[in-house]
Parts: sequence; C-alpha cells; structure tokens
Amino acid sequence: QKEVEQDPGPLSVPEGAIVSLNCTYSNSAFQYFMWYRQYSRKGPELLMYTYSSGNKEDGRFTAQVDKSSKYISLFIRDSQPSDSATYLCAMSATTGNQFYFGTGTSLTVIP
Amino acid sequence: DTAVSQTPKYLVTQMGNDKSIKCEQNLGHDTMYWYKQDSKKFLKIMFSYNNKELIINETVPNRFSPKSPDKAHLNLHINSLELGDSAVYFCASSHKVGIQYFGAGTRLSVL
Repeated sequence: QKEVEQDPGPLSVPEGAIVSLNCTYSNSAFQYFMWYRQYSRKGPELLMYTYSSGNKEDGRFTAQVDKSSKYISLFIRDSQPSDSATYLCAMSATTGNQFYFGTGTSLTVIP
Repeated sequence: DTAVSQTPKYLVTQMGNDKSIKCEQNLGHDTMYWYKQDSKKFLKIMFSYNNKELIINETVPNRFSPKSPDKAHLNLHINSLELGDSAVYFCASSHKVGIQYFGAGTRLSVL
C-alpha cells in the first residue's frame, strides 16, 4: 500500500463550481499536511499548510484534515479558469523532513 | 529574486552522455532535495542533504551522484544517461523540519 493515495482525475468543472480534492494516507505519524499547486511546466508551489487536525481557510481555499479517518481535503470555492492545474497533497511526520506526495489530481475549470 | 533556482531549464542529450544540473537557494534553508517527476506527475524523492550531509538516499542508480559544496547549493550529476532518465527533475529546499519550496524544474530528454 502506498503511503499516500490521491485520485489522479482528471477533474473537469464549470467556472464557479465548488471543487473537492482528497487524499488518504496510512501512516498515523503524519502531522504536517500540505497542498501544492503545479501549473503546466512549472514547479509545485505551496498553496495550503496545516498542522495536525482541523480546518484552515485562505480566501477561496479551505484545507481540512481528519486524522481519525486519515483523510485530507482541499476545497476550492467559486473556481476560476486560473485554478486549472495539478494539485498535489503532501505530508510528513513530526520529526524528519521526508515528504510523501500524492500522485496529483489534474483539475480543469471551464469558462 | 528567485528563491530556488535550477539550471538548465531544458537539457536534451544523447544516451551514454554525462550531464549535471545545478541548484541554488537563497532562502537560508539548511536542507535541500532532488526529486524526479515522471510523465504521470508523480514526485519521487531521490536525495536530501542537510548542511552538506546526505540524509536521504532513496533507491536510485549509482549513476546519479549529488554534491553539496555548501548548504545553499545542491548539484546532481548523472553518468551514462539512459532513455529512462528522461523526466523533470526538481530541486527543493526547507528548514530541517518544514515546508519545502521547489525550483522550476529541469526537463531532461535523453535521445
């Protein structure tokens, strides 16, 4: 079993839709949870960062972590064509610096 | 001012050649990484250095040799290039435990 599972999509939604992206994981030691956005032919850029469980909101983006279910989500409200990218979840344990990435979900927002 | 910069951006070469990719970060981080991203967008850790010391060395052919002259630089040398080495290689940096920041990537094509 992979450390982190993520549905690769592709996901295609109309502009203005609410998008839900998800990852599951198997290692209960993970404490840091990140979402990266990667545009075509660019490097991953950090979008959201959460420590332990709970929700975090930043503008149109909300990250949720449910450690009891080993499940994390990223919600995008009022999606825009500029949100079209690949979204990668990543996580790491409290100590050590090895990140475990999901395979990425490709999102297209249609105008 | 680019935080994590890697050169070259594109590299096209013949099988059997030796090539190097350079990475520099100006974020004051003490840990640097090399990742390989395949055509399916999966990011796979290759190496990690903390203060010039190798701390992560995943199962990578020994044709790949990282070198860290100082904590702001991590270069990747690849000997006897093979077709399967074609991918995008990303450099990243972080504090010892923390968010990783990525470069723009080096797109390697082996012909």
